[in-house]
Amino acid sequence: QKEVEQDPGPLSVPEGAIVSLNCTYSNSAFQYFMWYRQYSRKGPELLMYTYSSGNKEDGRFTAQVDKSSKYISLFIRDSQPSDSATYLCAMPHSGYALNFGKGTSLLVTP
Amino acid sequence: GAVVSQHPSWVICKSGTSVKIECRSLDFQATTMFWYRQFPKQSLMLMATSNEGSKATYEQGVEKDKFLINHASLTLSTLTVTSAHPEDSSFYICSARSQGSYEQYFGPGTRLTVT
Repeated sequence: QKEVEQDPGPLSVPEGAIVSLNCTYSNSAFQYFMWYRQYSRKGPELLMYTYSSGNKEDGRFTAQVDKSSKYISLFIRDSQPSDSATYLCAMPHSGYALNFGKGTSLLVTP
Repeated sequence: GAVVSQHPSWVICKSGTSVKIECRSLDFQATTMFWYRQFPKQSLMLMATSNEGSKATYEQGVEKDKFLINHASLTLSTLTVTSAHPEDSSFYICSARSQGSYEQYFGPGTRLTVT
């Protein structure tokens, strides 16, 4: 079993919709949780970074962590075509290297 | 946010030659740098981790003699693909973190094509 599981999609939504992206993980030692956005042929861009359980909001983005369920989510409000990208969840393990999910491909249609 | 650059962004080389890719942290000191490769429609695969002034730690299955990593300063790491072959064609991405921080910031990537 991979340590981080993420549905690869693709996920297609109309512009303005609320998008929910999710990951599950198996290692209860994970404490830090990150979401990256990657456009095609570009490096990943750090979107959100949370520590332990709870919510964190930044503009249209909300990251949510439920450590009891080993489940993290990224919500995007008022989605825009420019949000079309692959979203990767990631958790650092010892040595600081990141465990990545496979990434969810999101398409927001005008 | 912190900025990481990579050079070149795209390189084509002939089979058997070597290629060097540079990764620079522009506005912070990178205690640790990571090198990843990514094949189309797949997630990032960690190749190696390097700490400034130390030898790189390679992931299982990555040939250390083929992928030479140097992290000589707190702002620069290089990846040299030696005796490149067509199967080495891929998207290579570096990332960097500063001391005491878990966040990693990624470069824009380098597309390597070996003919």
